[in-house]
Formats: sequence, C-alpha cells, structure tokens
Amino acid sequence: QVQLVESGGGVVQPGGSLRLSCAASGFTFSDYGMHWVRQAPGKGLEWVTFIRYDGSNKYYTDSVKGRITVSRDNSKNTLYLQMNSLRAEDTAIYYCARREGFYFDYWGQGTLVTVSS
Amino acid sequence: QSALTQPPSVSGSPGQSVTISCTGTSSDVGNYNRVSWYQQPPGTAPKLMIYEVSNRPSGVPDRFSGSKSGNTASLTISGLQAEDEADYYCSSYTSSSTWVFGGGTKLTVL
Repeated sequence: QVQLVESGGGVVQPGGSLRLSCAASGFTFSDYGMHWVRQAPGKGLEWVTFIRYDGSNKYYTDSVKGRITVSRDNSKNTLYLQMNSLRAEDTAIYYCARREGFYFDYWGQGTLVTVSS
Repeated sequence: QSALTQPPSVSGSPGQSVTISCTGTSSDVGNYNRVSWYQQPPGTAPKLMIYEVSNRPSGVPDRFSGSKSGNTASLTISGLQAEDEADYYCSSYTSSSTWVFGGGTKLTVL
C-alpha cells in the first residue's frame, strides 16, 4: 500500500534552516510528481511546491520563492524540502502528497515545523 | 495566488443534504476541470474525496458528489452521517502551473 512518511520537523529560530524528508513506499516513486502542502495551526491548507517525477521542473507558491527548495532522490525513494531564512509565518504542519493527474491522491501524516525564538 | 473562496461553515441534520461552494476565477476553477475536494477530520491528514470536478475515488461513498458551473465548484453530501463531520477543502490547478486551495469549510452534523 502507498505510504508517505514525513520527518525532520522541529523548533527552529527565525532566520534558521531546516530540511524535511518524505520517505515513499508501496509505489514506483520515480513515476510520480510530488507536492508539499502546509497547514498553519488552526488554519487551512496551503500548497507550497511541486516537483516533477524526474526533478526536471519545480513550482513554488510566491511566499516561499527564494527561501524554500524542493528536491528528490529517486534512488532513495525520498522527497526533500530545504527551508532557509525561516519566518514565524512558516510555522505549520508540512505534508507531502503524491500527484495523480491534477490532484493529490495520497498524503503523509505530516511533520510540524515551529519557527520561534 | 489568492485562495479559493469557501463558506467558513455549514451544518445539517443526519439524513439531510448539504452543499459546499468553492469560488475561484477564470484562471483556475473556471478554466479547468481540475477541481478536487478533500476531507480532513480533526488531527488527521486530508483525504481525497472528489477529483476532476465529479469523480469519486474507490471507497468514497456515492453520497459525495461534485459539480461545477463557471467559476464555482460545489461538493454535495447527501444522506448526512455523523462520520461526515470534518473540514472540507477544494483545490484547483491554475494557469500559472500551480495549485490553490480554498480556505476550508467546517461541516457540523447537528
């Protein structure tokens, strides 16, 4: 069965960096594009970024451009999110999700990132 | 990249029907049949309920249905059950090759 397991969340100071990982199993990871979606405490879902199945193209929401980078290692079945220059407003649960067509068919359980001094 | 507009809350009694609207623009909802809906009970990850406006994934009850007219998509839940109580989010692909979510709607089963 499809499984997506995020890790790497934690508490970081404003201006700091963090790298999230999403370990995929139960499907051929290299065949699928992948997303990161975040959810601030008590707030709605916000799409963050998408990377194509081969890493050739990446797309970002405006508020993270230049600070957050998505990447993947298909040999390790793992998706990454490198977050730099973190701000309080980046505090959220970060979910990885698999792309199928133009929707998100499987989601991980999420990892919490807290940006606070 | 403005969020799609959803009502903050809707409610209904068991057995009744409710409809949640999702309004976008001609750059997202109105331009593509690429609207999807997600259910999120408290403390859990979102779950796909409807894709490509009106298609249900395997395992989703046929009480859930979707439609679209112009820039507005809708999710209808008929025969409301207590287990349907959750937050619901719409999403659309956009002409900027990005995705956008609605602000979410809290469904309360009275």
